[in-house]
Amino acid sequence: GQNIDQPTEMTATEGAIVQINCTYQTSGFNGLFWYQQHAGEAPTFLSYNVLDGLEEKGRFSSFLSRSKGYSYLLLKELQMKDSASYLCAVRLSGYNKLIFGAGTRLAVHP
Amino acid sequence: DGGITQSPKYLFRKEGQNVTLSCEQNLNHDAMYWYRQDPGQGLRLIYYSQIVNDFQKGDIAEGYSVSREKKESFPLTVTSAQKNPTAFYLCASIPGGTVSNQPQHFGDGTRLSIL
Repeated sequence: GQNIDQPTEMTATEGAIVQINCTYQTSGFNGLFWYQQHAGEAPTFLSYNVLDGLEEKGRFSSFLSRSKGYSYLLLKELQMKDSASYLCAVRLSGYNKLIFGAGTRLAVHP
Repeated sequence: DGGITQSPKYLFRKEGQNVTLSCEQNLNHDAMYWYRQDPGQGLRLIYYSQIVNDFQKGDIAEGYSVSREKKESFPLTVTSAQKNPTAFYLCASIPGGTVSNQPQHFGDGTRLSIL
């Protein structure tokens, strides 16, 4: 079966750093995506990892360890607008199908 | 501007009624997807299509049907057999029919409720 785990909720303070973890157990792996989704809106792409290591994009970074089935999304210099759900999704081998985690709802407080 | 257009934004279904959700893209993408999202949950795949005139069932296809007669269009019909249709429905597309490292692009979604 396919299983992706993320914490349900997190809170953080404006200006701080937060790390959102994602662990996965899937039949095959061909990349991991992070998406941001504001309430009632469509997900928007944040980052993609297919090889082990850290990918940095401005205030957002994502890390992958394929041997551990583990990824994290790091958000720096948090802003109020970062309050949203963050979805981890694994692409299965040989397909363009994505398996999504339930998402982590992040609340940023002043 | 290229993008994915879903309509309507809100839709209400009566008992025993079939309803169709529209998804149109002008990105020239080969593959298209339909997802369902319930409150507090991630996206679950209903159907997907890698090329015109071909589609496959996803993880929760029961009670739904699709067609892919044109590259730019992938409508989803929620049939009366779907007993719990209330959800947020998202359409997505990706360039290339084979495995791609491009992210899926999403439409703005349709929120379906039962009357």
